[in-house]
Amino acid sequence: TQLLEQSPQFLSIQEGENLTVYCNSSSVFSSLQWYRQEPGEGPVLLVTVVTGGEVKKLKRLTFQFGDARKDSSLHITAAQPGDTGLYLCAGEPSPGNTGKLIFGQGTTLQVKP
Amino acid sequence: NAGVMQNPRHLVRRRGQEARLRCSPMKGHSHVYWYRQLPEEGLKFMVYLQKENIIDESGMPKERFSAEFPKEGPSILRIQQVVRGDSAAYFCATSTDRNRANVLTFGAGSRLTVL
Repeated sequence: TQLLEQSPQFLSIQEGENLTVYCNSSSVFSSLQWYRQEPGEGPVLLVTVVTGGEVKKLKRLTFQFGDARKDSSLHITAAQPGDTGLYLCAGEPSPGNTGKLIFGQGTTLQVKP
Repeated sequence: NAGVMQNPRHLVRRRGQEARLRCSPMKGHSHVYWYRQLPEEGLKFMVYLQKENIIDESGMPKERFSAEFPKEGPSILRIQQVVRGDSAAYFCATSTDRNRANVLTFGAGSRLTVL
């Protein structure tokens, strides 16, 4: 069974601080996605990384896919209270095109003003 | 352009009753995936359907759970004889292309509470 270990599970920081969320597995994924989920809503896709070593930036968010395509990280620079929410990583098992995702347990982020 | 529509948003059932959750895909989307989110856990894949076909049901519990996506109408996830452990948020996600997991659009979910 493929697993994605996401850490930390909870994170509470002050506005302006930087943070990194990690997603690790012993399995190879054909792609890795990051979602954000608000209370009472469904996950909303932030980014998809496909190539080993790929880095994508979305404003203050930087996403990286590990060279071996087994891990990924999400880095937020100068966090804002509006960044508060649940962040989920999800991997598409290799060789891909399976139509299903393996989700991490999620990281609950609280940014205090 | 309406997104993925799920209803009901909230459903309360007593043990032993049946729960039916509906999902209407985004316009142009013909592939439906159901996921379950238990309290304090991540989303778990349940089933992948196309019109009138179950493509992958490897994540579905063997008993009491079934899913369909008829030629006309929404996809339905049906849970018979619900138990307290079925209490969870059930999310539907849809996509346009076959097996394009990386372009899923999720609905807002249906939250089932079993008393």
